[in-house]
Amino acid sequence: GAVVSQHPSRVICKSGTSVKIECRSLDFQATTMFWYRQFPKQSLMLMATSNEGSKATYEQGVEKDKFLINHASLTLSTLTVTSAHPEDSSFYICSARWRRGTEAFFGQGTRLTVV
Amino acid sequence: AQSVTQLGSHVSVSEGALVLLRCNYSSSVPPYLFWYVQYPNQGLQLLLKYTSAATLVKGINGFEAEFKKSETSFHLTKPSAHMSDAAEYFCAVRVGVSGNTPLVFGKGTRLSVIA
Repeated sequence: GAVVSQHPSRVICKSGTSVKIECRSLDFQATTMFWYRQFPKQSLMLMATSNEGSKATYEQGVEKDKFLINHASLTLSTLTVTSAHPEDSSFYICSARWRRGTEAFFGQGTRLTVV
Repeated sequence: AQSVTQLGSHVSVSEGALVLLRCNYSSSVPPYLFWYVQYPNQGLQLLLKYTSAATLVKGINGFEAEFKKSETSFHLTKPSAHMSDAAEYFCAVRVGVSGNTPLVFGKGTRLSVIA
């Protein structure tokens, strides 16, 4: 299957700083990327959907100024958590789909810990 | 709106026993249905998918699922559990062929395999 690479897999940052997470589709052009957040022992909650070259569409309750999403190319999307706080600590997962694809392929996830 | 209900947050089976993980969906139009597996601190791996072709879908690692429209179900089964099957399993639904349509996940079922 198609490969989606997410980096870093684990990051610890200080409260108030910003963290950038990258999501790359390695062997296909990802016209759409999705960002999810997963709390311990819970399901994945969709944060936002982004199309290449367009502004991301955020789900209700997700602060777009806090979670900046950029999808500047067909192989790369980034999620920047700005002014991180301990409550932002979570597991973030991206997924990518090509234009006529049925399924979405997932990255390995990023464990963010804000101290 | 579409939704997914996974019955049982935790299922425990003996090694070699039948695995049955339940998933019911709610959708006003024919859905695409997926089962994913997640190992600790990792992303999601696709096990199998239903896309309106055969109702009995075979996936990787010996898993299969049957789409039953009359029961709005898509239960995941495996004839004989292996220790390596212990993981978190998520059922997901996608409605529509638009590339922007995200997956909606169930809450997940943790499978434990007892030696």
